[in-house]
Amino acid sequence: GEDVEQSLFLSVREGDSSVINCTYTDSSSTYLYWYKQEPGAGLQLLTYIFSNMDMKQDQRLTVLLNKKDKHLSLRIADTQTGDSAIYFCALGGYNKLIFGAGTRLAVHP
Amino acid sequence: DAGVTQSPTHLIKTRGQQVTLRCSPKSGHDTVSWYQQALGQGPQFIFQYYEEEERQRGNFPDRFSGHQFPNYSSELNVNALLLGDSALYLCASSAGKRYEQYFGPGTRLTVT
Repeated sequence: GEDVEQSLFLSVREGDSSVINCTYTDSSSTYLYWYKQEPGAGLQLLTYIFSNMDMKQDQRLTVLLNKKDKHLSLRIADTQTGDSAIYFCALGGYNKLIFGAGTRLAVHP
Repeated sequence: DAGVTQSPTHLIKTRGQQVTLRCSPKSGHDTVSWYQQALGQGPQFIFQYYEEEERQRGNFPDRFSGHQFPNYSSELNVNALLLGDSALYLCASSAGKRYEQYFGPGTRLTVT
């Protein structure tokens, strides 16, 4: 079946880069997404990458996709306290999205 | 431009009762998906509505049903509530077969 796994917690110092990782089993998904969820809020779409791409950069965000290893990562450059949140990796297309359990990013001074 | 809106924000129900949650999609969007997010977990897909029809369904029992109206808004109905139905219910909208799904703030349902 489809499975998406993420490490549960990441702690970084303000100004450093954060790298959040995701591994998956289903390779048929068209797009791979990163969503951000702040406490008590819904999900904010950060960025996404088409399955035939290796990398996508969007301002401070860099997404890397290794299809062979079924590994997706999100790098946040110059991490700020406002980046503290839960980050979800998701796979899918225009219909069903399959989410990981989320990685809680804590940014400390 | 209003984003995805959901109502109510919070809801407390008793086991065995029925509940209806509502969602208005982002302007220009015609597709609505519903997700259940239990505490500490990622969202789980319930179903998706497009052109007033259920286009795809996740692994949820028939107690979960939905509807989409001609103005593209949608309702999620849950019958015979169980304690395990306590969760954040998220609505997401998208445009036809475009790949971006935008989420609303969610409805927090507590079943006692």
